[in-house]
Amino acid sequence: DGGITQSPKYLFRKEGQNVTLSCEQNLNHDAMYWYRQDPGQGLRLIYYSQIVNDFQKGDIAEGYSVSREKKESFPLTVTSAQKNPTAFYLCASSIPGTSMQQYFGPGTRLTVT
Amino acid sequence: EDQVTQSPEALRLQEGESSSLNCSYTVSGLRGLFWYRQDPGKGPEFLFTLYSAGEEKEKERLKATLTKKESFLHITAPKPEDSATYLCAVRSGVTGGGNKLTFGTGTQLKVEL
Repeated sequence: DGGITQSPKYLFRKEGQNVTLSCEQNLNHDAMYWYRQDPGQGLRLIYYSQIVNDFQKGDIAEGYSVSREKKESFPLTVTSAQKNPTAFYLCASSIPGTSMQQYFGPGTRLTVT
Repeated sequence: EDQVTQSPEALRLQEGESSSLNCSYTVSGLRGLFWYRQDPGKGPEFLFTLYSAGEEKEKERLKATLTKKESFLHITAPKPEDSATYLCAVRSGVTGGGNKLTFGTGTQLKVEL
C-alpha cells in the first residue's frame, strides 16, 4: 500500500536536545511538507521541498532544519533553538503543480520537558 | 495574506440531524479549496477539492459547495462515525510558495446516538 509513514508516533526529549522526526513516502511524490499543529490553531507550514536537494522555509521555520537527499525521505530536526517545540508534527506530500491536494502522514507528537 | 475562518468551532448533533459547517476565506486568486477530516491523534484525511464558485462534490453523507467567499460542508443524516474535526484549507494563486496551503482552525463535530 502506498502512503506516508512518520516515526515515532510519540517522542519525548529534554530541553536543550536536538531531535529528528522521520518522514518517508512511497507515493512517488516530488513535493513534501512539514506542518506543526497546536491546539486552537490551524496547521502551520514549517518547511517544504518540491524536489530532491532543494527546500524552502515556510511560515515558522525558525528553530527547525530539514534535508531532502532522497525523493522518499524528508526528515525534520527540531533544534534547541526552537522556543516552544512541544506540538503535533505532520508530514505531507503531493504531486507538484497547481491545486494538487496534499496527503498527510499519521503524525508525531513531540513533548519536550 | 490568505485567511481561513471556520465556524462553528464545535458542533454537537443527534444522529440523523443534518447540518452545515462553514469555511469563509480571503485569498489572492483561489487555486483550490480543500476539505479534510481529522480524527484525534491522527493525520488529516483528504475529502474534497473545489476549484470554482458553484462547484459541488459529494461523498457518502458529505457534500461540499463553494461560493466566491465561502464553502459549506453539508452533512446529511450524520452517524456517530462522522464525529471528527473537519479542516478547511485554501491555496492561492500567488507565485512562489510551492503548493502552500492556509488552514482554518477546524470544526469539531460530535454526533450522538
